[in-house]
Amino acid sequence: GAVVSQHPSRVICKSGTSVKIECRSLDFQATTMFWYRQFPKQSLMLMATSNEGSKATYEQGVEKDKFLINHASLTLSTLTVTSAHPEDSSFYICSARDRVSNTGELFFGEGSRLTVL
Amino acid sequence: AQRVTQPEKLLSVFKGAPVELKCNYSYSGSPELFWYVQYSRQRLQLLLRHISRESIKGFTADLNKGETSFHLKKPFAQEEDSAMYYCALSPTGGADKLVFGKGTKLTVNP
Repeated sequence: GAVVSQHPSRVICKSGTSVKIECRSLDFQATTMFWYRQFPKQSLMLMATSNEGSKATYEQGVEKDKFLINHASLTLSTLTVTSAHPEDSSFYICSARDRVSNTGELFFGEGSRLTVL
Repeated sequence: AQRVTQPEKLLSVFKGAPVELKCNYSYSGSPELFWYVQYSRQRLQLLLRHISRESIKGFTADLNKGETSFHLKKPFAQEEDSAMYYCALSPTGGADKLVFGKGTKLTVNP
């Protein structure tokens, strides 16, 4: 099946720094990728929809200047947490849909755990 | 607004027993419903979707529009079914924007 890879899987940073998380579709092209955030023992919450070649669409309540999304190619989307603070500590998960097969299935990355000290 | 409710955070059954994971949704239109599963130390993956009407790993789920439910069932649970199960809804009719429930952790005891 299709594989989505995230990097890094874990990152620890100091408060005030920026952190970039990459999401790659390894064997398929994805015009759309989705970024989710998951708090401990909570559900996945959609943060934004990343569209290749255009601006991301953010969900209500998500600060677009805080969570910068870039989808420069059909296989890569990046999420940058700018000026991170401890409350940004979370598990970030991306997903992507294969634009060719169009089965409707979303493929998920393994997630990236961010800890802000 | 769309909402997916999974009333049970934890569900524990014995091997061979029937299992039902409940899911109710709130949406005024015609949603597409999914069940995703996350096994220990693995990523989230699709288990089944209501439009497929298939049985995957012995699991089935029927969309009941009257009760706005999409419960996941399996007649005889196996230990390898132990995992976190998430019910999800797509308001757009596709798999684009998924709204997830909080998940149910299923434990199948030997």
